[in-house]
Amino acid sequence: EAGVTQFPSHSVIEKGQTVTLRCDPISGHDNLYWYRRVMGKEIKFLLHFVKESKQDESGMPNNRFLAERTGGTYSTLKVQPAELEDSGVYFCASSRLAGGVTGELFFGEGSRLTVL
Amino acid sequence: AQSVTQLGSHVSVSEGALVLLRCNYSSSVPPYLFWYVQYPNQGLQLLLKYTSAATLVKGINGFEAEFKKSETSFHLTKPSAHMSDAAEYFCAVSDQGSGYALNFGKGTSLLVTP
Repeated sequence: EAGVTQFPSHSVIEKGQTVTLRCDPISGHDNLYWYRRVMGKEIKFLLHFVKESKQDESGMPNNRFLAERTGGTYSTLKVQPAELEDSGVYFCASSRLAGGVTGELFFGEGSRLTVL
Repeated sequence: AQSVTQLGSHVSVSEGALVLLRCNYSSSVPPYLFWYVQYPNQGLQLLLKYTSAATLVKGINGFEAEFKKSETSFHLTKPSAHMSDAAEYFCAVSDQGSGYALNFGKGTSLLVTP
């Protein structure tokens, strides 16, 4: 069974440009999460999808961030326009059940974003 | 909101020595607590979890953690470190007030020396 895959693994862009990160969850996992880790800081929750619906987006930093999950399968996270403080590692995770209850989140390797 | 604090961003132990990684939580309700590990160039992997059953929780790779309510702690231990244990370890608490999203600590990098 394939794990959670994320693309790209590393992206370097200039301030003001747009970047789109993609996450393919484990097949059959209705719950999909985005997290972000800024260097030296905690891994921070961004948002949670249940199938194609946003269950909780309280962690999204601002309206420059847009997450979608078309058809309840893969998800994209777009940053437009990117700012320097957006640099960090963006993790995607999926679970069959509500992961925060069971803790059984399966994480991807992360997409490292560098904004210059 | 529930939160966790990991004491020590870097811990170094000798191979064969005891591993102790500290985590204290802050929660107004009985928490769900977790330890995750991230090996180089890999995603986070669940080591173990506490969900109000037994206070001593055993995980993978010989790790265990004990939930101590009186100390609000959930420290991770392993009796004898292996070189392969070198990784970054994250303590996390489930935020019941925020749809059970996980709140992570800052992480502790474990270095194992020969």
